[in-house]
Amino acid sequence: NAGVTQTPKFRVLKTGQSMTLLCAQDMNHEYMYWYRQDPGMGLRLIHYSVGEGTTAKGEVPDGYNVSRLKKQNFLLGLESAAPSQTSVYFCASSQTRQKDRAHEQYFGPGTRLTVT
Amino acid sequence: DAKTTQPTSMDCAEGRAANLPCNHSTISGNEYVYWYRQIHSQGPQYIIHGLKNNETNEMASLIITEDRKSSTLILPHATLRDTAVYYCIVRVINDYKLSFGAGTTVTVRA
Repeated sequence: NAGVTQTPKFRVLKTGQSMTLLCAQDMNHEYMYWYRQDPGMGLRLIHYSVGEGTTAKGEVPDGYNVSRLKKQNFLLGLESAAPSQTSVYFCASSQTRQKDRAHEQYFGPGTRLTVT
Repeated sequence: DAKTTQPTSMDCAEGRAANLPCNHSTISGNEYVYWYRQIHSQGPQYIIHGLKNNETNEMASLIITEDRKSSTLILPHATLRDTAVYYCIVRVINDYKLSFGAGTTVTVRA
């Protein structure tokens, strides 16, 4: 049981390049999330999904797109990377119907992205 | 969701109890108090949560005041591995989103 995994772990992009970050979970969780964390700050929600085939915007969605074609995977895309998107990206998942533990989130190890 | 206020940082001696305060004076009746922590460079980790009763698990204890306007996370015997940023989050029951503030940076010293 690997939990939440993220690919890649590190990436360096040039301004204007595109890339996709992959998040996978093997816990059969309904909900999945993408966060970004800038140095010295807390996590901010980019996009989230409440089930396969659904996505929604979070707090800071601009410049990102997401897709949830399979329940276990949540992809985060950067169409045209900018230096302001240099950050650590965390994926998380959670489950409904956990009596009294509603939506405890399980996080992946993060992807460190640098845009030059 | 109610806003939380935590100290920016605190130190703790190894082997002693660490008491982490959190103020949430605008909390409403249907909001839980959650605690997560983030060890350097890792994803956040759930610690504990509660509504109004004190809670204890294998990691920590959560003490919520009777008026629910503040709470304290207690790490009973802090170890060097407990050095992390601790986040106090207030969230409506069954809401699925978390809102992270800056948290408290806890440094456990030998």
